Amino acid sequence: GAGVSQSPSNKVTEKGKDVELRCDPISGHTALYWYRQRLGQGLEFLIYFQGNSAPDKSGLPSDRFSAERTGESVSTLTIQRTQQEDSAVYLCASSSILITNTGELFFGEGSRLTVL
Amino acid sequence: DAKTTQPPSMDCAEGRAANLPCNHSTISGNEYVYWYRQIHSQGPQYIIHGLKNNETNEMASLIITEDRKSSTLILPHATLRDTAVYYCIVRVDWANDYKLSFGAGTTVTVRA
Repeated sequence: GAGVSQSPSNKVTEKGKDVELRCDPISGHTALYWYRQRLGQGLEFLIYFQGNSAPDKSGLPSDRFSAERTGESVSTLTIQRTQQEDSAVYLCASSSILITNTGELFFGEGSRLTVL
Repeated sequence: DAKTTQPPSMDCAEGRAANLPCNHSTISGNEYVYWYRQIHSQGPQYIIHGLKNNETNEMASLIITEDRKSSTLILPHATLRDTAVYYCIVRVDWANDYKLSFGAGTTVTVRA
């Protein structure tokens, strides 16, 4: 597709379950970002991938959170043993300085996670 | 560690210009000012960015003060669809600073 695609758009899960959130970046974009946005709040940086470099995981809030990216394509954010505090919208973005000269991030619509 | 300060909210009349202020008094010489907006239930959308010169594109204009300690985003003719949260961000160019830090932004409500 032309934009960043995220799935599922909505996920309701029970406390203690594991969830996987998927992000398909724009084709050719080497950089991929995950952010979390709690209700009524700003975006919280989670993790950043750039090409084949080691990802910056400094924003992950706990070891229950992990993310992977296959080459310069799909990324999966996994949350293990979900807690109610994990309820939020998880936003993925991609960018490429080789394609745009603005450094802008292109965001997906987000995956809304509700932990009961 | 918010690098920018924005008013929490503002109203604007449809068809009028909306002037959104942002203070970034600790901005470094190599940091750009970026503006994004987030319409309800959507991901943020890039609007414009600048270093020290004023910039204009099809969406908005960006006015940066000479000392670069503040800037103003101008939406020349606000429409109802411009109702959104507007984020002002400072960052080193994209090759060196990828942790875009979004604050609370300004909630702009355009009224008919």
